[in-house]
Amino acid sequence: AQSVTQLGSHVSVSEGALVLLRCNYSSSVPPYLFWYVQYPNQGLQLLLKYTTGATLVKGINGFEAEFKKSETSFHLTKPSAHMSDAAEYFCAVVQIDKIIFGKGTRLHILP
Amino acid sequence: NAGVMQNPRHLVRRRGQEARLRCSPMKGHSHVYWYRQLPEEGLKFMVYLQKENIIDESGMPKERFSAEFPKEGPSILRIQQVVRGDSAAYFCASSPGGLATGYEQYFGPGTRLTVT
Repeated sequence: AQSVTQLGSHVSVSEGALVLLRCNYSSSVPPYLFWYVQYPNQGLQLLLKYTTGATLVKGINGFEAEFKKSETSFHLTKPSAHMSDAAEYFCAVVQIDKIIFGKGTRLHILP
Repeated sequence: NAGVMQNPRHLVRRRGQEARLRCSPMKGHSHVYWYRQLPEEGLKFMVYLQKENIIDESGMPKERFSAEFPKEGPSILRIQQVVRGDSAAYFCASSPGGLATGYEQYFGPGTRLTVT
């Protein structure tokens, strides 16, 4: 069965600094991978997804993620953090007919 | 095109009552998924339905929980005889096709159930 591990339940970065949120997955087949963002008291919004093709995936709000098969990783990055990026971020993998989510990383932006 | 709609957004029930959560998928989407989110945890899959069929209910508790997606109308997640441990946010998602073929899910805003 597929699983997702997000390293760090809380990450703090200064405004303008690099954002790096880590995600490792386990999958016995080529995975479909996602990053979602959740703002307080809201649903999940898709940031980006990897299905096939280019391993560097660009998403909304300046985020991108790189699929590294050799490392079974799909880390999320953004060059320069903005206060509006403060939210919870979920990495996820498709398992047949459903999505398996990591436990989430709450991103804090320091002024 | 309206997004996934869920109602009510907030629901308070006393222990032993029934909770009914509704989800209207996006137009043209025939696949519906329900997830539960407990505090400080990620979303846990509960059930996957297509019109009039339950495809995968491997994440549903064996007792008190049921789901349906009738030919007409919204999908319903029903919790009978609620207990305090049922307090959580319940999210619905829809997609136009199966996830294994690369379709993505679109999430609703969730229903926050509080059991007193």
